[in-house]
Amino acid sequence: DAGVIQSPRHEVTEMGQEVTLRCKPISGHDYLFWYRQTMMRGLELLIYFNNNVPIDDSGMPEDRFSAKMPNASFSTLKIQPSEPRDSAVYFCASSWTSSYNEQFFGPGTRLTVL
Amino acid sequence: SQQGEEDPQALSIQEGENATMNCSYKTSINNLQWYRQNSGRGLVHLILIRSNEREKHSGRLRVTLDTSKKSSSLLITASRAADTASYFCATDSSGGSNYKLTFGKGTLLTVNP
Repeated sequence: DAGVIQSPRHEVTEMGQEVTLRCKPISGHDYLFWYRQTMMRGLELLIYFNNNVPIDDSGMPEDRFSAKMPNASFSTLKIQPSEPRDSAVYFCASSWTSSYNEQFFGPGTRLTVL
Repeated sequence: SQQGEEDPQALSIQEGENATMNCSYKTSINNLQWYRQNSGRGLVHLILIRSNEREKHSGRLRVTLDTSKKSSSLLITASRAADTASYFCATDSSGGSNYKLTFGKGTLLTVNP
């Protein structure tokens, strides 16, 4: 298996623009997680899905952030409008029910908002 | 609030030496995991220890868990330059979902050749 795939790997955009990050989880995994990593705050869980259904979005910072999982093999994290403080590395991870939540991480998307 | 806190924040050792990193947490847990992150990469799962276990081994890794002190340690024996990375502990919460992990800020380990 190719592992968790994220795109793009790097994104540079200007304040106010819409940003869409994409994730393809490992086939067969039924949990998908979106994290944000910064030097100041470390790794923060934004939202996670089970069987394509959002279970906990309490980590989503504000209404500018939204996430969807239209099917078992694809998820998006959208920021609209983007702000400089959204600059971070965004990780997608997946796991399956019987794994005691060993999570498999993608390579991340480094977002820079100017 | 931060559940797991690693200590030290940074550790520099010579190849062949052992490296010990510690993690403290605040609330009761079901499981504690350790992950490694190489620079510019995603996290990689190393080992999981359940709350009813006290010690676990995997290759050169040894993890201990003391639930009475709410702390865990990760020992890497006979370190190699390739072990240079950040190491994170991650905990769930026994009162909540097993699937919601909280990560500490990590220990940056540098192994000098």
